[in-house]
Amino acid sequence: GQQLNQSPQSMFIQEGEDVSMNCTSSSIFNTWLWYKQDPGEGPVLLIALYKAGELTSNGRLTAQFGITRKDSFLNISASIPSDVGIYFCAGQLYNNDMRFGAGTRLTVKP
Amino acid sequence: DAGVTQSPTHLIKTRGQHVTLRCSPISGHKSVSWYQQVLGQGPQFIFQYYEKEERGRGNFPDRFSARQFPNYSSELNVNALLLGDSALYLCASSLPTGGSYNEQFFGPGTRLTVL
Repeated sequence: GQQLNQSPQSMFIQEGEDVSMNCTSSSIFNTWLWYKQDPGEGPVLLIALYKAGELTSNGRLTAQFGITRKDSFLNISASIPSDVGIYFCAGQLYNNDMRFGAGTRLTVKP
Repeated sequence: DAGVTQSPTHLIKTRGQHVTLRCSPISGHKSVSWYQQVLGQGPQFIFQYYEKEERGRGNFPDRFSARQFPNYSSELNVNALLLGDSALYLCASSLPTGGSYNEQFFGPGTRLTVL
């Protein structure tokens, strides 16, 4: 089945620093998505990417859909303490089946 | 408006037992998907239901089954529980628009522990 390789597994950064995480796959996806999950809650959608090469921003977040449709990255600029959490990439197939990466655990030190 | 709700919040079962998890979608959403999230991993797709019909199925054994009711709520059933079934079970609802992607909104999950 389709496997998503997400890196890094964890990051420890100072408040104000920029963050970058990425996701690669051996398979092509129609849509790439980035989610954030806080403890005790379900994932919340941050950014959705629909077209190869697409670059999308949402506030301090920027994500890109790789040109080969097999990869994506997420950047967070000027991190703040509330950015703490687990970030997941997900690739969606045509039938709404979503495949998730294993997550990047972000810790922001004040 | 209420988001996706799931019940129960937590559940403890023993091996071999059966469990039923429940999900109520966001009002107006007609599609429900179920995911299993093992500790330290991302969610894994189990089922999608739309208009009471199964529209997608992940790589899970037949011990896992689900159904959707006329009010679009859904149940996930797991028979003959194994220790490895211990996980957070997430439900997500979406409002199919006919396009290639429909944003899924996740509930808080049901934490199942199998002893």
